[in-house]
Amino acid sequence: TQLLEQSPQFLSIQEGENLTVYCNSSSVFSSLQWYRQEPGEGPVLLVTVVTGGEVKKLKRLTFQFGDARKDSSLHITAAQPGDTGLYLCAGAGTASKLTFGTGTRLQVTL
Amino acid sequence: NAGVTQTPKFRILKIGQSMTLQCTQDMNHNYMYWYRQDPGMGLKLIYYSVGAGITDKGEVPNGYNVSRSTTEDFPLRLELAAPSQTSVYFCASSYSTAWDLNTEAFFGQGTRLTVV
Repeated sequence: TQLLEQSPQFLSIQEGENLTVYCNSSSVFSSLQWYRQEPGEGPVLLVTVVTGGEVKKLKRLTFQFGDARKDSSLHITAAQPGDTGLYLCAGAGTASKLTFGTGTRLQVTL
Repeated sequence: NAGVTQTPKFRILKIGQSMTLQCTQDMNHNYMYWYRQDPGMGLKLIYYSVGAGITDKGEVPNGYNVSRSTTEDFPLRLELAAPSQTSVYFCASSYSTAWDLNTEAFFGQGTRLTVV
């Protein structure tokens, strides 16, 4: 079974602060996705990273795939209340199924 | 554009009762999935389907059954509900499983099930 551990599990910060969320595994993934889930809704795709070492930017969000394709990070610059939600990483591994991480719940306050 | 629609949104079941969670998608996706989400545990795959008439078990299939008679519908059946099945259930669909080509899993809004 491929496992993805995310850290931290919870994060409460003030508007304007920077933060980094980590997604780690002992397994190699062919690609990795990040989703954001808001209360009462299903997850929505933010980005897909494919190549080891790849960095993708989405406005104030920066995503990185580890060189060995076993880990990833999400960095948010100058967090805003609209960034509040549950962030999930998901790795594509065996049998082309997505394995989801344990999730990081982010709360950004004014 | 409805996407993935799940019903009901909320349900309370007594131990031993059974129910069917409905899921339908209007994107003509071949691939459909059922996940459960427990607090602090991310999403666990229960069952998935690669097309009409084909289903397979995921990580946590015990206590559940599925069918896929049409491309659009993928109902999840709970037989003999147990408190351990209290969770939020999400149905999802995708065009393919080529995740490295930025394929997206589209999710419904979820069904919050409580078994008492």
